[in-house]
Amino acid sequence: GQSLEQPSEVTAVEGAIVQINCTYQTSGFYGLSWYQQHDGGAPTFLSYNALDGLEETGRFSSFLSRSDSYGYLLLQELQMKDSASYFCAVPSGYSTLTFGKGTMLLVSP
Amino acid sequence: GAVVSQHPSRVICKSGTSVKIECRSLDFQATTMFWYRQFPKQSLMLMATSNEGSKATYEQGVEKDKFLINHASLTLSTLTVTSAHPEDSSFYICSAFNSGNSYEQYFGPGTRLTVT
Repeated sequence: GQSLEQPSEVTAVEGAIVQINCTYQTSGFYGLSWYQQHDGGAPTFLSYNALDGLEETGRFSSFLSRSDSYGYLLLQELQMKDSASYFCAVPSGYSTLTFGKGTMLLVSP
Repeated sequence: GAVVSQHPSRVICKSGTSVKIECRSLDFQATTMFWYRQFPKQSLMLMATSNEGSKATYEQGVEKDKFLINHASLTLSTLTVTSAHPEDSSFYICSAFNSGNSYEQYFGPGTRLTVT
């Protein structure tokens, strides 16, 4: 089976940098995805790492270490609108996704 | 990016009645769609995989006779909650992926179901 662990909540101030970690246990590994979900809204895709290293997309970056079964999402220059839940996810089987429990990010002024 | 819509966005129904939720891919064809349920402050739990032209695949613990899924076309999947009970009150979200990138799923806006 698949299991993912991530912190339940992270707080930070505007302009800061925050890192959300995710460790996983999978029976087969294809990559690690990150999704953002605002309260009451739909999850939106942020990034995907299939290989080790850092992927940068604007203010957001995602990192993967397959040997450590570990990844993180890095958010820079935090803005109030970044307050949301962030989920790491792994593909499991044919096209399905297993999600972590989510990390609620609270950005304060 | 690809767009997925859901209807209705909110629905309130009485206990014992049935509710149908529609999920549409607006600008792409989706042979596979997914239905999730999300309780407040919790993660998305996959309920079933909806396959166009064939039976849905249900996750362990999800009652297929209670949550009826129909995927009659490449752009439409429906979830019917039959004989709804208050414990079925939840946020139901569908998703699909465009082409071969299954790790990048496109989610509908969700349907908030309240059973009274």
